[in-house]
Amino acid sequence: DAGVTQSPTHLIKTRGQQVTLRCSPKSGHDTVSWYQQALGQGPQFIFQYYEEEERQRGNFPDRFSGHQFPNYSSELNVNALLLGDSALYLCASTTGGIDEQYFGPGTRLTVT
Amino acid sequence: DAKTTQPPSMDCAEGRAANLPCNHSTISGNEYVYWYRQIHSQGPQYIIHGLKNNETNEMASLIITEDRKSSTLILPHATLRDTAVYYCIVRPIYNNNDMRFGAGTRLTVKP
Repeated sequence: DAGVTQSPTHLIKTRGQQVTLRCSPKSGHDTVSWYQQALGQGPQFIFQYYEEEERQRGNFPDRFSGHQFPNYSSELNVNALLLGDSALYLCASTTGGIDEQYFGPGTRLTVT
Repeated sequence: DAKTTQPPSMDCAEGRAANLPCNHSTISGNEYVYWYRQIHSQGPQYIIHGLKNNETNEMASLIITEDRKSSTLILPHATLRDTAVYYCIVRPIYNNNDMRFGAGTRLTVKP
């Protein structure tokens, strides 16, 4: 039973560029959430996708957007990258948005 | 902001029980207490959760005080692989998005 997978593992981008991160949920899960984790801090909720729509959003600017596909996989897009966007981006999946979330290994984004 | 308060760090001897405290004095009746841990450079791993009764699973035990204002996560026989940051989180029963991670407790298990 595959767990949550994310790609790429690491990524280096330049300030002002755009980036797309990908996530495949755990088998049987239909809901995907994205988190940003800065160094030394806990994860911060970005948004959640269910039935291909954004269901809830944390305190992040519109530069952060996402998408969910019919197979429940998801993408996180960040436009106009800032140095402060450097972080570990985590994807978590669950069923229905009520049960506990299972996290992927994350994508380490470095903005230079 | 996180709704919980945890000590920043703790040490534990290998083979001994690790008791990690958490204060959540503003918890409401429709909020769970959840525990996750994060081993270096990995995603957080779900450990256990509870509402008001004590809970036990293959990983740990969760003891919640009667007034629900604090809890303790117990790892009965800590191993070196239990070295991680442990997060105590309070979240609404019907919304698993409202999980406000604090800085957690960095547990170091020593041989």
